[in-house]
Amino acid sequence: KQEVTQIPAALSVPEGENLVLNCSFTDSAIYNLQWFRQDPGKGLTSLLLIQSSQREQTSGRLNASLDKSSGRSTLYIAASQPGDSATYLCAVPLTGANNLFFGTGTRLTVIP
Amino acid sequence: NAGVTQTPKFQVLKTGQSMTLQCAQDMNHEYMSWYRQDPGMGLRLIHYSVGAGITDQGEVPNGYNVSRSTTEDFPLRLLSAAPSQTSVYFCASNGLTGVGYNEQFFGPGTRLTVL
Repeated sequence: KQEVTQIPAALSVPEGENLVLNCSFTDSAIYNLQWFRQDPGKGLTSLLLIQSSQREQTSGRLNASLDKSSGRSTLYIAASQPGDSATYLCAVPLTGANNLFFGTGTRLTVIP
Repeated sequence: NAGVTQTPKFQVLKTGQSMTLQCAQDMNHEYMSWYRQDPGMGLRLIHYSVGAGITDQGEVPNGYNVSRSTTEDFPLRLLSAAPSQTSVYFCASNGLTGVGYNEQFFGPGTRLTVL
């Protein structure tokens, strides 16, 4: 069974700092990896989707990398802002399936 | 496009009651799924469907029923509510491709409390 781990569980940084969120998974036979953002009491918003053939994907101040062989992905947030405060979740499907396995998330607080 | 919509947003049930959580998508996606989110446990898959008339069980299917009569709708039924089903429920969809998987989109969630 696929297991997804996100470290740290919580992170607090001052505004303007660059930061890295980590995601690791046990089964490397994945199609892709997706990063989501979840605000308190809200649904999940897709941030980035990295296909298994890619090594990274960028959207604005966000950059996600994928290393299938080591079972790791990182989400890099540049010049953090208070509006970035949320819980960040990574999720992977297994090859041949569409079911997502989620990590428990990293709760990010950016202090003004 | 409205994307993925869910109703109701909040619901309180008594133990033993039944209800249906509604989910609809207007993106013509083949794949739809239901997850529950519990503190400290992340999101777990309940049931999913790869197209109209086809459903299958996920990781935690007990106590739940689904059907898929149209591409757009994928309702989740609680047969006899139990306090252990207190959770936040999310519906999701994505379009199947030749590769097999695409970006998944989530609804806003239904917060259910069972007393």
